[in-house]
Amino acid sequence: NAGVTQTPKFQVLKTGQSMTLQCAQDMNHNSMYWYRQDPGMGLRLIYYSASEGTTDKGEVPNGYNVSRLNKREFSLRLESAAPSQTSVYFCASSPEHRSTNEKLFFGSGTQLSVL
Amino acid sequence: RKEVEQDPGPFNVPEGATVAFNCTYSNSASQSFFWYRQDCRKEPKLLMSVYSSGNEDGRFTAQLNRASQYISLLIRDSKLSDSATYLCVADNNAGNMLTFGGGTRLMVKP
Repeated sequence: NAGVTQTPKFQVLKTGQSMTLQCAQDMNHNSMYWYRQDPGMGLRLIYYSASEGTTDKGEVPNGYNVSRLNKREFSLRLESAAPSQTSVYFCASSPEHRSTNEKLFFGSGTQLSVL
Repeated sequence: RKEVEQDPGPFNVPEGATVAFNCTYSNSASQSFFWYRQDCRKEPKLLMSVYSSGNEDGRFTAQLNRASQYISLLIRDSKLSDSATYLCVADNNAGNMLTFGGGTRLMVKP
């Protein structure tokens, strides 16, 4: 049981380049999330998908787009990377959004550097 | 003011010590609270949920104080393996997502 798998683990981009971070979960969870983590800032929610077919903005959505491809997969796209997007990105899933059962399971993270 | 605030530490304690962290939250309507543990360069993992009545899991005890809007985590008989960053989590103002604190770093020394 792999849990939440995200790729790649590391990525270096030049300003203006685009890329997609992939995330898949095999726990049959309804909800999926993308967070970024910066020193001293904690984890901040970029986008989430409460259920298959829906996506919503989180706290810091600017510069990102997401796709909930199916129940398992939730991708994060940077259309034109900026140095301010240098961060560690975590994908997470939970059985249900905004319920007493909302416990997050995280992927191992992607270290992204934008030069 | 941050919605969820924690002392970043580090808290340096000897093995066997008891250590406690507090975390304050700004949304008085928050309903869900959690402690997550994050090892260096790893993903966060759920440590425990925090219930109104408080809850205990082995050496770990979590408490909620709604009047003062803080939650606490108490670790008894600290082990070297407890060294990590502990993240406090609460509902946000809009009630549609969880907000993480910046984390408190604990270092347990031999």
